[in-house]
Parts: sequence; structure tokens; C-alpha cells
Amino acid sequence: QSVLTQPPSASGTPGQRVTISCSGSSSNIGTNIVNWYQQLPGTAPKLLIYSNNQRPSGVPDRFSASKSGTSASLAITGLQSEDEGDYYCAAWDDSLNGPVFGGGTKLTVL
Amino acid sequence: EVQLVESGGGLVQPGGSLRLSCAASGFTFSSYWMTWVRQAPGKGLEWVANIKEDGSEKYYVDSVKGRFTISRDNAKNSLYLQMNSLRAEDRAIYYCVRVRITMIRGVLSYYMDVWGKGTTVAVSS
Repeated sequence: QSVLTQPPSASGTPGQRVTISCSGSSSNIGTNIVNWYQQLPGTAPKLLIYSNNQRPSGVPDRFSASKSGTSASLAITGLQSEDEGDYYCAAWDDSLNGPVFGGGTKLTVL
Repeated sequence: EVQLVESGGGLVQPGGSLRLSCAASGFTFSSYWMTWVRQAPGKGLEWVANIKEDGSEKYYVDSVKGRFTISRDNAKNSLYLQMNSLRAEDRAIYYCVRVRITMIRGVLSYYMDVWGKGTTVAVSS
């Protein structure tokens, strides 16, 4: 059981917009910054979004994120086949004194 | 090129020990917190342990406290994870990860910006 809650799956067709939600509590998302990681099949995770809505160099602006209260969401516009993979939200948890992850959302491009 | 390369994984019997290593290159290793994150087969990501730049502070997830020890050798640009009393549930890919920690307007910003490819630990009799 993950501390942060994500839907197990999401899907869309090429070109569509897809959103992935992430729900937490006052000890993590409600207080601290949310980050998102992308894990493509057979590879290591990669930082996708940091500090709630910042993209590292090289991440296309098709990826964006937002946070409100104890929830956050990742949006992908202009969905492409190469976006297929697992997406994880994460935040520092003040109660656990460590970072916590969501259970991951498997994105399928139909 | 910034790079993290893990090694030391393998098959070990329950109750056994293993020491993972991570070789860092392309950045000033001694300036960063480092962490280990694991991923059980078909499962999500789980943070395991953190270590401060100079090794003076270490933190662990409850499930590994007293069994795992994180350490680093800044002279060798290396991170380690000593794993003792291994259990079946420790079976996972273990990733070495660089951490960025800052305070932004009083709010902790903690994220993992560079990941290694991982090393696989299997625990079975």
C-alpha cells in the first residue's frame, strides 16, 4: 500500500491529452513539493517534473504538472507512442522523514 | 557525462548478506546527498536510505532499519549499501540515485535527479 495514491492505469490515443492524479495528505503533498518520474519499459526511472511544475532540460513541454492542497496531477498533451510507460508521483513525507512514492500509473497509448 | 553505475547484486540465501556499490562520475560527488531506491518485481518504487554529503546523517525506511547500512567514500566517488539479514521481500532492483535538496521559501524541495541503471538482488534458498 503506497503512501501516495495514483490510479493504476491510464490510456489515450495519439495526440490526446491525458492526466494522472496523485493524492496524498498534509504530511507530504500538503506541505512539500511534488515530483514526477517516468519509467519507460525495461529502463530505470527518470526525473520528469520537479518542484511541482518544473521540467528538467530535455523534457518536452508536452508534460506539465500542478498541485492543489493534498493532491497533484500530471498532464501529457499531444500523446505519443513513446510516452507509454509507468509514471510515479513522489514527495517528502514529514511524518516518515523520507520520500514517498505513489504506486505508479501505467500509461497505455492505444 | 553524469553517471551512476551500480554493482554487487546477486543471489543470496535468506539471512545472508550483500554489499552494493555505486560508482559516481561526471559530477562533484561530495556535494550531493545520495539515496538508494528499490523496485520489487512488477511493483512500484520504494525509498530505502539517504546519506548526507559528508556521511554525517543517514536515514532509512523502517523495513530495513537495523539490517541495512548506507555509507559513502567521497575520495572514491562511491556509495554503498551493506545489506544483512536479507529476507525474501528484499528481492528487488536497487537503484543508486543522486538527490537535490533545497529550501524554497521555507518549503523543502527534495527530488532525485540522476538514476543509475540498477543492480538486481534476489533472495532465495
